[in-house]
Amino acid sequence: QSVLTQPPSASGTPGQRVTISCSGSSSNIGSNTVNWYQQLPGTAPKLLIYSNNQRPSGVPDRFSGSKSGTSASLAISGLQSEDEADYYCAAWDDSLNRGVVFGGGTKLTVL
Amino acid sequence: QVQLQESGPGLVKPSQTLSLTCTVSGGSISSGGYYWSWIRQHPGKGLEWIGYIYYSGSTYYNPSLKSRVTISVDTSKNQFSLKLSSVTAADTAVYYCARWVVTATYWYFDLWGRGTLVTVSS
Repeated sequence: QSVLTQPPSASGTPGQRVTISCSGSSSNIGSNTVNWYQQLPGTAPKLLIYSNNQRPSGVPDRFSGSKSGTSASLAISGLQSEDEADYYCAAWDDSLNRGVVFGGGTKLTVL
Repeated sequence: QVQLQESGPGLVKPSQTLSLTCTVSGGSISSGGYYWSWIRQHPGKGLEWIGYIYYSGSTYYNPSLKSRVTISVDTSKNQFSLKLSSVTAADTAVYYCARWVVTATYWYFDLWGRGTLVTVSS
């Protein structure tokens, strides 16, 4: 059971806009920034979004992040087949010295 | 550019100690400004943060693993290591080492190793 809650799956057709949610609590998302990672099959995770809505250089602007209260979202517009991957949210949790906590991951399928 | 590479046994017997090393190339582990972390991923599951170490030797561990985890650093070899004691089948996972950027306002894992699968089995 992950500390951050994500839907296990999401899907969309090429060109569509898809959003993935990440729900937490006041001790993590509610008081700290959120990062998003993309994990393509058989590879290590890659940083997609940091500090709620910042894109590292090289990440297309089709990817965007937002945060409100104790929830965060990742939006992917203009969906492409190469976006098919697992997506994880992450945050620092101040409760019980938990440290970094991750969501359970969302498998995105491009139909 | 900076790269990370995990190494260590792929098979560990139950009750023994899992030992992995992460070699940092293309940059100095002592350059400061970065923390060095271990993260694992159980087969077909999500990510679990294990802990971090700074080049000075200060550490922080996931409380759920704290009693069994030791992370150490060898600046002369530009490496940091993970030891996980008393392993069981539940510790079977892909283990990643990662570089952790931390500032006053944000943090993120920006570089990851390729990961190494460790299986706990007799």
